[in-house]
Parts: sequence; structure tokens; C-alpha cells
Amino acid sequence: AQSVTQPDIHITVSEGASLELRCNYSYGATPYLFWYVQSPGQGLQLLLKYFSGDTLVQGIKGFEAEFKRSQSSFNLRKPSVHWSDAAEYFCAVGAEYGGATNKLIFGTGTLLAVQP
Amino acid sequence: DAGITQSPRHKVTETGTPVTLRCHQTENHRYMYWYRQDPGHGLRLIHYSYGVKDTDKGEVSDGYSVSRSKTEDFLLTLESATSSQTSVYFCAISGDYASSTDTQYFGPGTRLTVL
Repeated sequence: AQSVTQPDIHITVSEGASLELRCNYSYGATPYLFWYVQSPGQGLQLLLKYFSGDTLVQGIKGFEAEFKRSQSSFNLRKPSVHWSDAAEYFCAVGAEYGGATNKLIFGTGTLLAVQP
Repeated sequence: DAGITQSPRHKVTETGTPVTLRCHQTENHRYMYWYRQDPGHGLRLIHYSYGVKDTDKGEVSDGYSVSRSKTEDFLLTLESATSSQTSVYFCAISGDYASSTDTQYFGPGTRLTVL
């Protein structure tokens, strides 16, 4: 079955430190991968997406993610975290569902706290 | 930001009452989705629509129905609300259902509490 795993429920980093959020997926075909961010009380905002081509994807707010097929991973990174990055981050895979090909399967999220 | 609004943004209701949530878009996108978000589960698809009057079930559709009479509006109805339907509900839209590469854009969410 298609699934997305985010092994870290909660991460705390210091402002200015580097960040890596892990995401592993299980999907038989070529995966289409997304990272979304959710600030408290807000909807989900797309950070970046991977469809094909270059496995290192650049997104908004200085985030990047690397697709590694051999590890079934799509980890999100940022070289220097800002206090405003504190939020919940969701990894998702675009998957087939019945006759539709555009269903998103989400991980359970990683809550990021940033220490001053 | 994509033009998506949800109403109401917050609602408290009692068990057994009907509830309707509305999603309105100004992007003229063909595809619309309803998800629920619960701690420890991420977001799960309830129903989706691939055109006016064309809808289908998602993975957690029991107890929910939807309707889409206009491109811009997608309604989610809880016929008889239960406490297990206490959740945050998100609407999403996308332009190209035929492609898994198309991005889904999310509304601000509706927090529903069923007492």
C-alpha cells in the first residue's frame, strides 16, 4: 500500500542551525513528492515538489529537498533556520486512487520548534 | 495564494445534528477535495470532485456526503454529526486531475467540534 512516513514527530533546533526533516515513502510507481508547511491555525502552503529530473529541488523560503530513489526518501533541508520557520511540516506523495490520479497521501507531520 | 475560502471557519455543534461546510474557489479549477486533519493521522481524503456534479469517495468517506452544483462551490455535509467527526477540515483545489504532478492548493480550514 502507498504510504508516507515521517519518523520525527517533534524536532527542536536553535535559530541559525541547519535543519533536516526526514520523509520516507512507499509507492510502486514513480512518485510525485511534495512538502507542505502549516503554521498554527493556517492552511497548508506548498514548499516544493518533485516530479522528475534533477533530484535536488529548490523551494520557497530557502528550503530544498533531495529525492533518493534507492532510499525511498525525500528529506527536506534548510541550511540556517529562522524563528519564523517554526511550524508543522508535511510530506506527501501524489498517488493513484481509483480512477483519479491526483490523490495526496500525507505523512503524519513533523512539528518544528525553533529556540532563540 | 490560491483564491480558496471556507465557511464557517469554526463551528460547534451537537451530536446528531446536520452540518454543512462550504468551500468556495475563484480559480476556476476543475478539481476539488475535502480532507480532514487529525493528530497522528496527517490529512486524509474524504471526498473529491472532478467536475460539476461529478464526485467520488476518498478513504474516509463514511458519514459524509458532498455536492458540487457549480464549479466554484464544493459542499461537505455531515448528515448526523458524531463526536468522531470532530476535526479540522480542509478544502483543496487543483487544475489538472489527470496528472499526479498537479499541485493541490489548500484553503484555511474549518475547525469543527461535535459535542
